[in-house]
Amino acid sequence: EDQVTQSPEALRLQEGESSSLNCSYTVSGLRGLFWYRQDPGKGPEFLFTLYSAGEEKEKERLKATLTKKESFLHITAPKPEDSATYLCAVQAMYSGGGADGLTFGKGTHLIIQP
Amino acid sequence: ETGVTQSPTHLIKTRGQQVTLRCSSQSGHNTVSWYQQALGQGPQFIFQYYREEENGRGNFPPRFSGLQFPNYSSELNVNALELDDSALYLCASSLDRNTGYTFGSGTRLTVV
Repeated sequence: EDQVTQSPEALRLQEGESSSLNCSYTVSGLRGLFWYRQDPGKGPEFLFTLYSAGEEKEKERLKATLTKKESFLHITAPKPEDSATYLCAVQAMYSGGGADGLTFGKGTHLIIQP
Repeated sequence: ETGVTQSPTHLIKTRGQQVTLRCSSQSGHNTVSWYQQALGQGPQFIFQYYREEENGRGNFPPRFSGLQFPNYSSELNVNALELDDSALYLCASSLDRNTGYTFGSGTRLTVV
């Protein structure tokens, strides 16, 4: 069974204080690892897809990296508008009986204080 | 692109009733998935449709069913509602199995 564990559950940072969010996963062949941002009462907003170990992607203050067992979302010099819940999800390589669906972690609730 | 839109935004139903939630996907997106998100949890995969046929299902009972239409719209039907069905229901669409999923804002269902 595919599993995703995110840590920490919650993180409070000062504006400008860089940090990293962790996503550990087990999957029967990784098709893709996804990072989403979710604001309260809204649907997840797509950030990145990573496909293979060693891959990195960047977008503004965010950088996602991938190894064979985990992914990190690095946040550099965050601003209050970066406050949100960050969700990690995996998609398995082989389809059949639900394998095409994304398996999500519970998310990391990030608060950036001015 | 017009994004993914869901209706209604909020809904209150009584235990035992049936409910239909609707989703309009982005034009050209042949794959649509539905997820259930309980408060404080990550979304859980319900099922996926590709070109109007179900091609993947998560760990949800048969009283959760769906349809996908040629105009890129879809429905999630839930029969015999239970209190634990109270959640945010999310629709997501993608161009194909290898691209990212775009989520709608969801329908908040409360079962009383």
